[in-house]
Amino acid sequence: DAKTTQPNSMESNEEEPVHLPCNHSTISGTDYIHWYRQLPSQGPEYVIHGLTSNVNNRMASLAIAEDRKSSTLILHRATLRDAAVYYCILRVISNSGYALNFGKGTSLLVTP
Amino acid sequence: NAGVMQNPRHLVRRRGQEARLRCSPMKGHSHVYWYRQLPEEGLKFMVYLQKENIIDESGMPKERFSAEFPKEGPSILRIQQVVRGDSAAYFCASSQTTSGGASSYNEQFFGPGTRLTVL
Repeated sequence: DAKTTQPNSMESNEEEPVHLPCNHSTISGTDYIHWYRQLPSQGPEYVIHGLTSNVNNRMASLAIAEDRKSSTLILHRATLRDAAVYYCILRVISNSGYALNFGKGTSLLVTP
Repeated sequence: NAGVMQNPRHLVRRRGQEARLRCSPMKGHSHVYWYRQLPEEGLKFMVYLQKENIIDESGMPKERFSAEFPKEGPSILRIQQVVRGDSAAYFCASSQTTSGGASSYNEQFFGPGTRLTVL
């Protein structure tokens, strides 16, 4: 799988937008960009995924660079409950299932 | 709809004992994945199973570890003769089979994990 690079940690104030970057310069044409997050003492949960176009859902937005070598997860209004480790993962999608390779992710701290 | 269930949530074993971790996938899900998370690290994939079949075990240690997902009942991750280095959080995830092409997305739903401590 292609490698991703994320900052170790970021900090945000509550109610402000947060932009979490991910670099993936060796991404292949069939790699989807997945984001999962892991709250303290819990299992990871899916956030969003995309291939080429920007994506929005109720949790976040995903902005993908035109050359696909980087992407940004956007939390529009951070809350204290968004404090978690955010993982950017590249993986082809198969309808028969596939493993996810988590790196170290970005630890997001949200302060009131 | 109950989520992925794992038990026990905490397990303590002495060196040399066996550890059995159970995972019940979400209703309707036929794919199960096991991941291990060492302290201060990200999750590492171990094994991917469908009912009665191991699809990908590229992340499983060659010795002492085994996994199964029988036709009936939960998936089991079994660790024989545990050592201190096996102390970690073990997460199970499940997903459903989707129809259609590669653009279909089968999100993985994770359980709360089993925290194994080897004394």
